[in-house]
Amino acid sequence: AQTVTQSQPEMSVQEAETVTLSCTYDTSESDYYLFWYKQPPSRQMILVIRQEAYKQQNATENRFSVNFQKAAKSFSLKISDSQLGDAAMYFCAYINTGGFKTIFGAGTRLFVKA
Amino acid sequence: DAEITQSPRHKITETGRQVTLACHQTWNHNNMFWYRQDLGHGLRLIHYSYGVQDTNKGEVSDGYSVSRSNTEDLPLTLESAASSQTSVYFCASSRSEMENTGELFFGEGSRLTVL
Repeated sequence: AQTVTQSQPEMSVQEAETVTLSCTYDTSESDYYLFWYKQPPSRQMILVIRQEAYKQQNATENRFSVNFQKAAKSFSLKISDSQLGDAAMYFCAYINTGGFKTIFGAGTRLFVKA
Repeated sequence: DAEITQSPRHKITETGRQVTLACHQTWNHNNMFWYRQDLGHGLRLIHYSYGVQDTNKGEVSDGYSVSRSNTEDLPLTLESAASSQTSVYFCASSRSEMENTGELFFGEGSRLTVL
């Protein structure tokens, strides 16, 4: 069975600095998607970034980028120029290509200091 | 704009009572899911549906049931609420197989407290 592990329950970063959130996963599949979702205090889950496993190029979305290491089964999220609005719970998630069930990590709570 | 809505957003109930959480989506997605969110566990899948009249158990389905009579709605019922079911519940949907990018579209969550 697939698993997703986020080893950092909490992280903090100074405003305007860069922070990296870690995620590792376990799967025997070769085709899958990986995601980072953000959950701010409003509780609404928001998609931050998506990576397709067959793509070697790391996904980027403005200040958010990932370091996808397929062989190591690692999928970290880098947030550059951190802003107060980035403070939230971040969930790493996995789904098989063609599958329908998403597996979530336990989450990392990010604090941003002014 | 298409959306997915949950109701109620907050609910307090007593042990043993039946509770139903509603979920309605206007994305026209075939796939719908119910998750519960608990500290230290992330989101865990309760039940899911791939289409009308289809329902399946997730990893934490005991004490919960769902029904799918149309594309838009997937209500979650707690037959006899227990304190262990105090949690935040999320409904989500995703596109059909041919268009599925894996992305989940979430409702705003329903906080349930069982006293």
